[in-house]
This record gives sequence, C-alpha cells and structure tokens, in this order.
Amino acid sequence: DAKTTQPPSMDCAEGRAANLPCNHSTISGNEYVYWYRQIHSQGPQYIIHGLKNNETNEMASLIITEDRKSSTLILPHATLRDTAVYYCIVRVPYNNAGNMLTFGGGTRLMVKP
Amino acid sequence: DGGITQSPKYLFRKEGQNVTLSCEQNLNHDAMYWYRQDPGQGLRLIYYSQIVNDFQKGDIAEGYSVSREKKESFPLTVTSAQKNPTAFYLCASSMAVGTGFVDTQYFGPGTRLTVL
Repeated sequence: DAKTTQPPSMDCAEGRAANLPCNHSTISGNEYVYWYRQIHSQGPQYIIHGLKNNETNEMASLIITEDRKSSTLILPHATLRDTAVYYCIVRVPYNNAGNMLTFGGGTRLMVKP
Repeated sequence: DGGITQSPKYLFRKEGQNVTLSCEQNLNHDAMYWYRQDPGQGLRLIYYSQIVNDFQKGDIAEGYSVSREKKESFPLTVTSAQKNPTAFYLCASSMAVGTGFVDTQYFGPGTRLTVL
C-alpha cells in the first residue's frame, strides 16, 4: 500500500468548510484513496473513497489531483460533531494481505464554536 | 437497523484469564476482521475471515484465537498467552472478494479491555 502523509492536526470554525489534505506521491494506478474518521473511543467510520475522479456523498467531497499524488477531503459545513481523527488510506481493494486497512497517524480535526 | 455490534463495551480481566469478545453483524457481509488499537496509535490486524469456517492470521495473532462458525459472528478470544492485552479491540466487516465492489470496511463500536 502507498504511504500517505497528513498534517497531524487542524482547526476549523464551526459552519466553515474543513479541507483536509493528504499526500500520496507513490500511489500506483490501481490503488484507491479511502477516507475514514474516528471519533474518540469509537470505531472508525467510513467516509468516502475514489480512484481518480472527484467524488461526493452526503458526508463529504473528495478531490483527487490529476496526477493522483494528493487529495483533499472536504467537509462543507463542519459541525462540532465532526471533531475526530481523519485517516487517509491508499490501497488496492482486496489485496492479498487480508484486506487490512493500514491506519497511519491521521489528522486530528478540532472544530471550534 | 443494519450494523455491527460488539459486546461488552468495557471488559476487565484478571491476569492469566482467557476472555472472549463478541462481534455480530447483520449486514450479510462475508468478510470479518479483528483489529487492536493502542492509545494514540493506528489499527493493527489480529485475524480476518473471508468465509465461514475459514480465517487467517494478521500481523499480531499471537495470544489470540478466533472462530467463524456462522456468517454473522466472529468472536475473538484473548488468551493468557497475550502478554499485553490491555487495548481497544475493533471488529469490522466487508463484502466478499470478487463481488465487484470496492471493499469498504464497516466497524463496530469497539470493546475496551483492561487487564488488572
């Protein structure tokens, strides 16, 4: 799985957009970008995934650069409940390693009133 | 509601005792996983199962055992051989290999195990 680099922490004002960056310069052509988040003392929650096109769902938008070496997760109107650690994961689906998810350090997003 | 349940939420065990953590899912997923998380750390894979009656070791299987007798259940036993069992344990499930879907994993709420 490609290595990812994320800032360790970010702050965001409530109601504003939160833009969380992720660098994955060694990504290969068949690797997807997944985003999960983990609220304190809870299980990780799937947010969104993409291969090369931008994606949007009810939770967030995922913007992937044309060269696929970086991506940005956008929470359009952050709320206090979005305070969590956000993980960017790059991997090939159903790889032979038992489909394990490798969670790095992630970005600790603090949404402030 | 569809989802994954884990019980209990908090578990205390005396050193030297085996303990079993429950994981149940009603998502009709074929694959299930157990992860361990230590404070401030990412997740590490303990065991995974892609089909009933079959399971594979992950990176840190020593001191743990699992069974997969039913599709919806994947219990994890933490044995006395696990030298540092105090941790947050997370169960997850996903659709099977070969279904054509990108394998999003869905997680349960976790069990926090403390060895006294």
